[in-house]
Amino acid sequence: QQQVKQSPQSLIVQKGGISIINCAYENTAFDYFPWYQQFPGKGPALLIAIRPDVSEKKEGRFTISFNKSAKQFSLHIMDSQPGDSATYFCAASRTDSNYQLIWGAGTKLIIKP
Amino acid sequence: DGGITQSPKYLFRKEGQNVTLSCEQNLNHDAMYWYRQDPGQGLRLIYYSQIVNDFQKGDIAEGYSVSREKKESFPLTVTSAQKNPTAFYLCASSMGARGRSTEAFFGQGTRLTVV
Repeated sequence: QQQVKQSPQSLIVQKGGISIINCAYENTAFDYFPWYQQFPGKGPALLIAIRPDVSEKKEGRFTISFNKSAKQFSLHIMDSQPGDSATYFCAASRTDSNYQLIWGAGTKLIIKP
Repeated sequence: DGGITQSPKYLFRKEGQNVTLSCEQNLNHDAMYWYRQDPGQGLRLIYYSQIVNDFQKGDIAEGYSVSREKKESFPLTVTSAQKNPTAFYLCASSMGARGRSTEAFFGQGTRLTVV
């Protein structure tokens, strides 16, 4: 019940296209769902996050869609650019676990020019 | 500048040797974490600490040890008992239970190689 399942493992998208990465969870007690972006040789950095009281959150070209009933959330990158090429991690946490993050396995995204 | 500093960036270990990875933060965060990342893999939790002088094992604690004597510092020792220590090690911190924000801030990582 603590797992967060992320797919796909890798993704290749043409420049200007839409990149979509999906995550699913089982534990309904999760109440915080962030996405992190990691470039090679660097630590991950928070990209965007959502709480279950909203179904969508948009920041620039990045959007999180959240489906509480299906226990799924996804990251959409619009107008994907070569600079978006990175590994993306979804995560989830619970207030009653001191917000300790449970991580997805990561998606390596490559944007082809 | 506030942030997390990991050192060294690269570290080479001989067989049977203990090595210590440094992690320092000046964000006034209560919680600190150590993760291991293998090539093409996700983040696996080694140890975490929610408060000074207290820490808990994560999913892959065997062969590792930590201490949390100061709020700012959370060093990780990779002992000779860790049979496959070659990996990228990431330290992170967050506000923990004090704040509603659970954003984790990561250091730049230490790449450990056994020679």
